[in-house]
Amino acid sequence: QKEVEQDPGPLSVPEGAIVSLNCTYSNSAFQYFMWYRQYSRKGPELLMYTYSSGNKEDGRFTAQVDKSSKYISLFIRDSQPSDSATYLCAMSAYHGNQFYFGTGTSLTVIP
Amino acid sequence: GAVVSQHPSRVICKSGTSVKIECRSLDFQATTMFWYRQFPKQSLMLMATSNEGSKATYEQGVEKDKFLINHASLTLSTLTVTSAHPEDSSFYICSATTSGARGQFFGPGTRLTVL
Repeated sequence: QKEVEQDPGPLSVPEGAIVSLNCTYSNSAFQYFMWYRQYSRKGPELLMYTYSSGNKEDGRFTAQVDKSSKYISLFIRDSQPSDSATYLCAMSAYHGNQFYFGTGTSLTVIP
Repeated sequence: GAVVSQHPSRVICKSGTSVKIECRSLDFQATTMFWYRQFPKQSLMLMATSNEGSKATYEQGVEKDKFLINHASLTLSTLTVTSAHPEDSSFYICSATTSGARGQFFGPGTRLTVL
């Protein structure tokens, strides 16, 4: 079983839709959770960083962590064509330690 | 803040040559740098973790004699692909982190094509 599971998609939504991206994991020691956005042929950029369970909101983006279910989500409200990218979840057990990445979900927002 | 650069952004070389890729943290001191490779439409595959001044820790299946990593300073790590072959063609991405940082900060990647 992989450490982190993520549906690769692809996911296609109309502009303005709410997008839900999810990852599950198996290691209960994970306590740092991140979402990265990667445009084609570019390096990933950090979108959201959360510690332990709970919600975190930043503009149109909301990250949720449910440690009891080993499940994390990223919601994108009012999706825009510029949100079209691959979204990677990542997590680690200790700050600064090795990260475990999901395979990434390819998202296309159609104008 | 937290900018990481990579050079070159793209390199094409002949089979059998060696290629060096540089990763620099521009505005912070990186205690740890990571090297990944990524094949088209696949996720990041961690190759090695390097801490400044010490030997890199390689992931299982990654040949340390083929992928030489040097982390000589707190702002620079290099990856040298020795005797490159076409199967080494990939997108190589570095990332860096430091104590107190939230997450890893990625470079823009280097696309290596070996003919």
